Amino acid sequence: GAVVSQHPSWVICKSGTSVKIECRSLDFQATTMFWYRQFPKQSLMLMATSNEGSKATYEQGVEKDKFLINHASLTLSTLTVTSAHPEDSSFYICSAELVSAGAQETQYFGPGTRLLVL
Amino acid sequence: GDSVTQMEGPVTLSEEAFLTINCTYTATGYPSLFWYVQYPGEGLQLLLKATKADDKGSNKGFEATYRKETTSFHLEKGSVQVSDSAVYFCALRGSSASKIIFGSGTRLSIRP
Repeated sequence: GAVVSQHPSWVICKSGTSVKIECRSLDFQATTMFWYRQFPKQSLMLMATSNEGSKATYEQGVEKDKFLINHASLTLSTLTVTSAHPEDSSFYICSAELVSAGAQETQYFGPGTRLLVL
Repeated sequence: GDSVTQMEGPVTLSEEAFLTINCTYTATGYPSLFWYVQYPGEGLQLLLKATKADDKGSNKGFEATYRKETTSFHLEKGSVQVSDSAVYFCALRGSSASKIIFGSGTRLSIRP
C-alpha cells in the first residue's frame, strides 16, 4: 500500500513550452502533497506544499507563476512548468502525505520525473 | 531554522565492511528523524525513522538511534552488500510542520 505515481517519468521539451507533471496517490487519499526539485548529485529542495482545494504554499525563491500547482482532488496534484527554459531541467519529485488515525503522518514519494528542456 | 547536516561522500567500502554515515540536526522542539535511500535512477524510499528520543529505527540491517543529547541520527550497518550502493539522505520533520528537510545526501558505493 501507500504507492505514489508520477507521470511522465521523463520528458524532453523545447524552450518556451509548458510541461505538466502529474502526481497521484494510488491507494490512499492525500490532503497534502509536496513538490521537490533535485539537481544532479544534490539534495531535494522543497518547492511547494500543495493542499487539496486551496492554493499551494511556495517556498521562498520559488516563482509561483512559473511553477503552477493544482491539487484538484484528494489523489491528484499537478505541477506545470510554464515557459520552460534549459535552467528548469531537473528531477522533480512529489510526495503525498498519508494520515493514519492515531499515528503520525507519513510522506510517500513518487519515482520522480526527469525534465530536459532543450 | 531547522537543518540537517550529514557526512559528505562519496563513501566507498568493500563488501561486508561496517558502515556509518553521520547525521546531525538542528531543530526546535522534538522533530521526527528519517533516513531515505535513493537507488540509481529511482525515487526516494523511506529506509527507517524514529519519532522520539532514544528510539531506534531499523530496516534491512540498517539502524539509527535518535540521540537528543548529541542531536544525532547516525546510520549504521554491520555488513554492507553491493546492493546497498545508493544515495542516502538524512531528514527531519519538525514537530509543528509537515514539510521534510533533507540533508545533502551521501553517495555510498560498495565494491565486491
